[in-house]
Amino acid sequence: DGGITQSPKYLFRKEGQNVTLSCEQNLNHDAMYWYRQDPGQGLRLIYYSQIVNDFQKGDIAEGYSVSREKKESFPLTVTSAQKNPTAFYLCASSNLAGSTDTQYFGPGTRLTVL
Amino acid sequence: GQSLEQPSEVTAVEGAIVQINCTYQTSGFYGLSWYQQHDGGAPTFLSYNALDGLEETGRFSSFLSRSDSYGYLLLQELQMKDSASYFCAVRDWRSQGNLIFGKGTKLSVKP
Repeated sequence: DGGITQSPKYLFRKEGQNVTLSCEQNLNHDAMYWYRQDPGQGLRLIYYSQIVNDFQKGDIAEGYSVSREKKESFPLTVTSAQKNPTAFYLCASSNLAGSTDTQYFGPGTRLTVL
Repeated sequence: GQSLEQPSEVTAVEGAIVQINCTYQTSGFYGLSWYQQHDGGAPTFLSYNALDGLEETGRFSSFLSRSDSYGYLLLQELQMKDSASYFCAVRDWRSQGNLIFGKGTKLSVKP
């Protein structure tokens, strides 16, 4: 079955620690995205990548870093510089060549800073 | 900049029809999308409108008026499983084609 996987589902971090969230897709999509969602809020774009070895900052990139060494993988690192990292993190992918606007989302990682 | 407005909450009963409105302000508008998200789950794509008019997919329909910068999602024959949050999202040239999401409308379907 094709899809997007994120791990872990729940993650706890102590203040001052960096943590990396995994995102893998086997949909052969060119584009991948990371969003942050806070309670009662919409999704805000952190980083996106339209091609391997290239990525761009979204609206709230400060305190985060990404890499795109493989088409299938787009890990997100939440650094200690992120002031309020507790949130629900969603990874998505899309086929840029498609005429519709579909982004496919993973199940998310809920990060809690203790 | 871009902005989207949609109601924060809507309540309806099973079998009813509900309309969730979305107004937007963007530059170089490409299209309006709708996503559904159940509590704790992943958003799933419902519809996309690039041109004016109504798109129907089963019990769900989506409408767009580009001249009014307005769209809506229409849910018919409501079922309990339709209880979820619904997000409108726009793409425009300033977002480099990326989606800008509204804050979502939480729909509660009552028996």
